[in-house]
Amino acid sequence: GDSVTQMEGPVTLSEEAFLTINCTYTATGYPSLFWYVQYPGEGLQLLLKATKADDKGSNKGFEATYRKETTSFHLEKGSVQVSDSAVYFCALYSSASKIIFGSGTRLSIRP
Amino acid sequence: NAGVTQTPKFQVLKTGQSMTLQCAQDMNHNSMYWYRQDPGMGLRLIYYSASEGTTDKGEVPNGYNVSRLNKREFSLRLESAAPSQTSVYFCASTRGQGTRDSRTDTQYFGPGTRLTVL
Repeated sequence: GDSVTQMEGPVTLSEEAFLTINCTYTATGYPSLFWYVQYPGEGLQLLLKATKADDKGSNKGFEATYRKETTSFHLEKGSVQVSDSAVYFCALYSSASKIIFGSGTRLSIRP
Repeated sequence: NAGVTQTPKFQVLKTGQSMTLQCAQDMNHNSMYWYRQDPGMGLRLIYYSASEGTTDKGEVPNGYNVSRLNKREFSLRLESAAPSQTSVYFCASTRGQGTRDSRTDTQYFGPGTRLTVL
């Protein structure tokens, strides 16, 4: 069945460092891909999405490119801030018409 | 718009007790979902409702029941709580009706209910 695998955390970086969180997927067809973010004590909220191969989703300085050839959707940001500390979830819309989430990656940014 | 609201925010139960988690959305969305979030396991789908009057099992439905009371409200019931049901529960909604046309939909989440079963 469809699945999402993302890098395990926690990831700890210094402010202004470059961020990459890896995400790969297994799916039939061409699923839509998403990154959701969960700030402490809150529910998840959409960060960005891409709906077809080679699309780039972007929001709040974060970017991710839908790579069909490597079945990947890695999240990147050029310069992280303390306020980016959160848990990040990669997800796909599966062929069974449901969203499947990865296990989440906790990101901590040191001032 | 309040978005997706959930009650209660926190709850402690004893094994064998029952309770209902309430969820409501004011975005006129068709589909609603219940997830549980456990450390290291991401979100797992318990039940979902693609439209008013329909419900379907997700990945981990055992021990739970749901009711889609109307288009706005989707409740989750634990009939006889067990310690394994200690978790954070999230309700979510999407505009679409769970079809291929919904593949680009954004899920909107409530703030969660933290449930502890002793």
